Amino acid sequence: GQNIDQPTEMTATEGAIVQINCTYQTSGFNGLFWYQQHAGEAPTFLSYNVLDGLEEKGRFSSFLSRSKGYSYLLLKELQMKDSASYLCAVSDSNYQLIWGAGTKLIIKP
Amino acid sequence: GAVVSQHPSWVICKSGTSVKIECRSLDFQATTMFWYRQFPKQSLMLMATSNEGSKATYEQGVEKDKFLINHASLTLSTLTVTSAHPEDSSFYICSARLREYEQYFGPGTRLTVT
Repeated sequence: GQNIDQPTEMTATEGAIVQINCTYQTSGFNGLFWYQQHAGEAPTFLSYNVLDGLEEKGRFSSFLSRSKGYSYLLLKELQMKDSASYLCAVSDSNYQLIWGAGTKLIIKP
Repeated sequence: GAVVSQHPSWVICKSGTSVKIECRSLDFQATTMFWYRQFPKQSLMLMATSNEGSKATYEQGVEKDKFLINHASLTLSTLTVTSAHPEDSSFYICSARLREYEQYFGPGTRLTVT
């Protein structure tokens, strides 16, 4: 079966760094996405990785290891507005997105 | 660019009535659109894949006669919830595929069935 695992909830302090992990087992792989979703809103795109390595985009970075079926999203200089759910999704052999359950990130002052 | 709209953004309807939700890609053509449902504090659940000019592909457990999907043009897909019941109350989100690896989400429609 297809499976994506990520922690249910994480807490971090404003100004700090947090790493959200995602492991996956899917039939085929055409890339891994990270989305941010604030409560009551639709997801917004953060990053896309299809090759191994680190992709940096401002305060957010995303890493992929295809051999390990593993990715992480790294958020630096955390701000209160970063409090949200972060969804990991893998594009399978049919380019269909398989979604993780999401990680709720709580930022404390 | 790559904007997807949904209408309405929220709707309240009585049990037994039908509700239509529209999903439009405003600045690109999308041969494929997706419909998701999300219950509170849960992740997105894919309901169906909508392909322009053909029948939608429904995920296991989703009743195709209850959730009617029509993808009549390259910029519009509609989801009709027929004979809605309170358990259909949810957040419905559509997305449109621009390229294989690019999918853009609409803002969502919150449906409340009383």
